[in-house]
Amino acid sequence: GAVVSQHPSWVICKSGTSVKIECRSLDFQATTMFWYRQFPKQSLMLMATSNEGSKATYEQGVEKDKFLINHASLTLSTLTVTSAHPEDSSFYICSATSGPRYGYTFGSGTRLTVV
Amino acid sequence: ELKVEQNPLFLSMQEGKNYTIYCNYSTTSDRLYWYRQDPGKSLESLFVLLSNGAVKQEGRLMASLDTKARLSTLHITAAVHDLSATYFCAVDITSGSRLTFGEGTQLTVNP
Repeated sequence: GAVVSQHPSWVICKSGTSVKIECRSLDFQATTMFWYRQFPKQSLMLMATSNEGSKATYEQGVEKDKFLINHASLTLSTLTVTSAHPEDSSFYICSATSGPRYGYTFGSGTRLTVV
Repeated sequence: ELKVEQNPLFLSMQEGKNYTIYCNYSTTSDRLYWYRQDPGKSLESLFVLLSNGAVKQEGRLMASLDTKARLSTLHITAAVHDLSATYFCAVDITSGSRLTFGEGTQLTVNP
């Protein structure tokens, strides 16, 4: 079945630094990738949608200059949290699809802790 | 704007009992997804319901979809402790576009 690999699984960083999270589709070409954020005991909130070779579309309230998304190839999307602050600490999950006929495959998630 | 609502949000049940989780959505869609999430983990796909009247079963879980009522149910039969997790339903208006999630139902099955 379709597999999406997400790295790292967890990361601790100091306030003010940047962190990059990778999301790779291992056995299919992901035309669209999604980035979600999940706070404890809450649902998943969509942050942005990215299509290969295009600029990401951010949801209302998500700072595009803070959460940089790159989808340079059909198998790789990255989320960079710039100048991270403690309030950015969260569980980040990517998802990928190869088109309308296919479902969504989720990565294993990244636990970000900013200290 | 598509809204997806689940109830109950919290469910504590005894092993061996049956219960149903409900998922209502506000806009026409014929694709509904159910996921399971264990603490600290990502989502595990349970069911994809693609048409009105669709019913799928896997073990002690059975999901159904009524697109006219904009309602899906996840029925748990003879619950066991291993089913303890958070269950999410999600809907996309256009397949492959974006998913909108319900709030999640935190299920605890007690011995």
